[in-house]
Amino acid sequence: EVQLVESGGVLVQPGGSLRLSCAASGFTFSSYWMKWVRQAPGKGLEWVATINQDESKTDYLDSVKGRFTISRDNAKNSLFLQMNSLRAGDTAVYYCARVFTNYGVMEVWGQGTTVTVS
Amino acid sequence: EFVLTQSPVTLSLSPGERATLSCRASQSVGSSLAWHQQKPGQSPRLLIYDASNRATGIPARFSGSGSGTDFTLTISSLEPEDFAVYYCQHHGSFGGGTKVEIK
Repeated sequence: EVQLVESGGVLVQPGGSLRLSCAASGFTFSSYWMKWVRQAPGKGLEWVATINQDESKTDYLDSVKGRFTISRDNAKNSLFLQMNSLRAGDTAVYYCARVFTNYGVMEVWGQGTTVTVS
Repeated sequence: EFVLTQSPVTLSLSPGERATLSCRASQSVGSSLAWHQQKPGQSPRLLIYDASNRATGIPARFSGSGSGTDFTLTISSLEPEDFAVYYCQHHGSFGGGTKVEIK
């Protein structure tokens, strides 16, 4: 079964740091682009970051550039999001997603992990 | 700035009725548009990609159409489990969502 399981979400103070993880299973993780998408309480979906298969290409939402870093460990089938200088506006459920198609469609979604900055 | 605009924001319908959701892109995306469904307390699920292709396991009552800037998601006959929020998506942009609620 194809599965993505996020972890690492906690309550953190403004200015703090956090590292989210996403464990992939049931597919060849190293073959796929991956994304992080977030959803603030009661709000819609917001793309955060994208990474290609070998980490040579990354892209970020403007408001997180310089603060967040997306990375992956293909040997461990894991995706990460390092989050620094956290703000109240970063409070959200964070989803990792497997990407297919050349326009970044999220084909498989994790269950999400909650980050609260307060 | 590229924007996806969904309408209506809320759609109030009864089970068995037909639902028609709209997504408009601020510039042409060809057929490169996807639709996702999100039920309360759950993560999103891909329904449609390339404007009209159903994802694996998606029932035939869901269909997508359109190209360029105007797209439509149609649910032919609403089942109780279809009441949810629907998002269109292209690259890193999502529409604001349409909530399909029980009338």
